[in-house]
Amino acid sequence: EPEVTQTPSHQVTQMGQEVILRCVPISNHLYFYWYRQILGQKVEFLVSFYNNEISEKSEIFDDQFSVERPDGSNFTLKIRSTKLEDSAMYFCASSVGQGGRNTIYFGEGSWLTVV
Amino acid sequence: AQSVTQPDIHITVSEGASLELRCNYSYGATPYLFWYVQSPGQGLQLLLKYFSGDTLVQGIKGFEAEFKRSQSSFNLRKPSVHWSDAAEYFCAALSNAGKSTFGDGTTLTVKP
Repeated sequence: EPEVTQTPSHQVTQMGQEVILRCVPISNHLYFYWYRQILGQKVEFLVSFYNNEISEKSEIFDDQFSVERPDGSNFTLKIRSTKLEDSAMYFCASSVGQGGRNTIYFGEGSWLTVV
Repeated sequence: AQSVTQPDIHITVSEGASLELRCNYSYGATPYLFWYVQSPGQGLQLLLKYFSGDTLVQGIKGFEAEFKRSQSSFNLRKPSVHWSDAAEYFCAALSNAGKSTFGDGTTLTVKP
């Protein structure tokens, strides 16, 4: 079964450093998402992306975050200057269409630890 | 704004016993509802989903969930729990804008 893949599975970075988390969505999917889960807390929506544009973002997704689809297969989340509170599991997800009957499929996640 | 509530933070059941995890939603339109399971350090695995039609939906691993509009609930059930079911379970609602709202999660512990 096709799946969303994410790299790296775990990254440790120093505060203030830039981090890029990578995702390969399911190949025929057109909508892409990033979610975040701080340890012990609920999964939170960050951003949705379609047709090379952000379609919706949460208040968490401030100016230090950016997303990009640099080629036909990858979807990246960049954190420009990491803070301690950015430590979390970041989930990439994708869906064929938006909302409605379109199931969102999640990747395995990338653990980010900021020290 | 839509919201999802999972009233039980932690549930413990004995292996072989039945299980029900509660989920309540608040949403202005027809909700699209999901249950995901997360094992420690792992990603989110889709258990089942409800879009419309039959209000009792079957999922993987022997789970089922029943959508009750009158109670704004989408409770997850399993007739006989296995030790491998110990994990965290998340209920989620999907908006037409493609944004999923998750509940706080329920941690399931299975006693031998």
